[in-house]
Amino acid sequence: EPEVTQTPSHQVTQMGQEVILRCVPISNHLYFYWYRQILGQKVEFLVSFYNNEISEKSEIFDDQFSVERPDGSNFTLKIRSTKLEDSAMYFCASNDRSSHKETQYFGPGTRLLVL
Amino acid sequence: AQTVTQSQPEMSVQEAETVTLSCTYDTSENNYYLFWYKQPPSRQMILVIRQEAYKQQNATENRFSVNFQKAAKSFSLKISDSQLGDTAMYFCAFYNTDKLIFGTGTRLQVFP
Repeated sequence: EPEVTQTPSHQVTQMGQEVILRCVPISNHLYFYWYRQILGQKVEFLVSFYNNEISEKSEIFDDQFSVERPDGSNFTLKIRSTKLEDSAMYFCASNDRSSHKETQYFGPGTRLLVL
Repeated sequence: AQTVTQSQPEMSVQEAETVTLSCTYDTSENNYYLFWYKQPPSRQMILVIRQEAYKQQNATENRFSVNFQKAAKSFSLKISDSQLGDTAMYFCAFYNTDKLIFGTGTRLQVFP
C-alpha cells in the first residue's frame, strides 16, 4: 500500500539555522499539507498546497516558513531561521480528493529539536 | 470558526471490553467530513475511520464504529473487543475547506 514518507525522522539544529524537511507524498495525490504537533499538544494545520501554489495557510505559517515542490515527487517545508518554539513533530499529508474524498494520509513525521 | 472538542483527556479499558471516546464539534457548514486518527507512541498519525456528514449511516471499520449525531454535532468512536495494540492517543478531526482541525486528543490505555 502506498505511503507518505518523510525525511529525516529526527533533526537537531541550532537556533537561527535553516532546516528543510522533506516529504514524498503518495504518487497520484495532488494535494499536500504540513501540520505540526508541539509535544503534548494537538496537531495544528500549517499550510496546504495544490497546483504549485499555497491554497491556504495558518497564522503559524509566517515569513519564516516556505514550501516547495521542487520536482515531481518531493514536497518540502523550509524554516528559514529556526526558533526554540519551532521544536515539534512535523507531519506531511497528502490526498487525491477523488476516490478517498478528503481523506488525508499522514507521513511518519519529522521530530525537530531546536537548541 | 470550526472547533473540535474532546472532553476526555484519558480513558482506560480492559482488554476485550468496549470503550467509547467522545467528540463534539462546532460548525455552520452543512457538508463536511469527520475523522478519527490514532497516534501510538511512535507518534505516527494513522487513520482509523471517516464519516461524511451527508451520510446518515454510521461508519464502521472492523472493531471501530462511530455514532454520528449531526444535529447534536457529536461524533463518538466506539472500540469493541479492545486490544492491547489499541493503546494510543486518539484524535477527532473535522475537515472543511482544505484543512483538518483536530481536537486535543484522548489518551486510551488498554489493560490486560
